[in-house]
Amino acid sequence: EAQLVESGGDSVQPGGSLRLSCTGSGFTFSSYWLTWVRQAPGKGLEWVANINQYGSEKFYADPVKGRFTISRDNDKKSLYLQLNNLRADDTAIYFCARYWRWGCDYWGQGTLVTVSS
Amino acid sequence: QSALTQPPSASGSPGQSVTISCTGTSSDVGGYNYVSWYQQHPGKAPKLIIYEVTKRPSGVPDRFSASKSGNTAFLTVSGLQAEDEADYYCKSYGGYNVYVFGTGTKVTVL
Repeated sequence: EAQLVESGGDSVQPGGSLRLSCTGSGFTFSSYWLTWVRQAPGKGLEWVANINQYGSEKFYADPVKGRFTISRDNDKKSLYLQLNNLRADDTAIYFCARYWRWGCDYWGQGTLVTVSS
Repeated sequence: QSALTQPPSASGSPGQSVTISCTGTSSDVGGYNYVSWYQQHPGKAPKLIIYEVTKRPSGVPDRFSASKSGNTAFLTVSGLQAEDEADYYCKSYGGYNVYVFGTGTKVTVL
């Protein structure tokens, strides 16, 4: 069965940077669009970014545009999210997920990013 | 990219039905048949229960059904069971490769 596992979450100061990773297994990683979704503590889900199968098309939600960068390495079956210039309102659990038929059918367990001084 | 509007809460007794609405605009829900619904239990990752407005992934009980009318999508949970108590989120394609989630609805089984 398909599986996604995130890592890299940590506690950082405002203005800091972090790189999240998501490793896939159990499916042909290079065949799927992938996405990052975040959830602030006690809040709802928020779409963050998408990337196509080849890494050539990338799309971002307005709140993270210019600060976050999504990328992937299909040889390593890994998805990444580079978070720069972090703000307190970026504090959230970050999930990676696989796109299938315009929905996200497999999700990781999430990794927590805390931005605080 | 404004969040889709869902009622904060909904409830029903075991065996009853509950319907959750998800209201967007003609630029998202009303413009595309790409609405999906997710169930999330506390501390867990979301689970896809509906895709492409009305379709259920393999393994999702047929107690879960969905529809769309204009700019509003609906999720109905029939024959409520204790394990259906969870948060439910809609998500829609919003054009130009952006997506938007709903505000979320907490379903309580009384």
